[in-house]
Amino acid sequence: QQQVKQSPQSLIVQKGGISIINCAYENTAFDYFPWYQQFPGKGPALLIAIRPDVSEKKEGRFTISFNKSAKQFSLHIMDSQPGDSATYFCAALGNQFYFGTGTSLTVIP
Amino acid sequence: EPEVTQTPSHQVTQMGQEVILRCVPISNHLYFYWYRQILGQKVEFLVSFYNNEISEKSEIFDDQFSVERPDGSNFTLKIRSTKLEDSAMYFCASSGDPYGREQFFGPGTRLTVL
Repeated sequence: QQQVKQSPQSLIVQKGGISIINCAYENTAFDYFPWYQQFPGKGPALLIAIRPDVSEKKEGRFTISFNKSAKQFSLHIMDSQPGDSATYFCAALGNQFYFGTGTSLTVIP
Repeated sequence: EPEVTQTPSHQVTQMGQEVILRCVPISNHLYFYWYRQILGQKVEFLVSFYNNEISEKSEIFDDQFSVERPDGSNFTLKIRSTKLEDSAMYFCASSGDPYGREQFFGPGTRLTVL
């Protein structure tokens, strides 16, 4: 059973545009939802995270929107830059981290 | 900035051989993790470790896997008899949070089993 579902699989955005990646989770016991950014050949790096008692968290150009009733959360990257081109993974924490399948983001100059 | 380091960056081994992957977690962290990422797929949890004991393990972490903290700085993953399907990136992570949040990942070891 896939605990965390992520979409889209790939995303192409123009420089300056908004990138939106969505995740849905199954288990209501999950209590921490991070987003990780991964560049080729590197380990995942924590980008931003949210707890379920908050509906939105913003850090610079990155925003997480969280909908507890729908069991969904999303990452918004404002003013997307070519340097944001990477794979993004959502995750949910219960007794372990469950990762989504990843979204390959390409920002075109 | 403190970081998690892993050695080697790439390990090539023959099927059936034992491999040991090494990690040096962030120095004041007490919670350690191993993950696996098969090429092009999602990151999968293998095991968590605290106070010299396994805290959680996934169904992937079967009897051929073991973890150890042999000294005050290293954290190792041993695969006793490698299979072709063990070929993957293996990431170590550490956290200072007992709930396992804010995990910091190392750069990974690419294991290739021939």
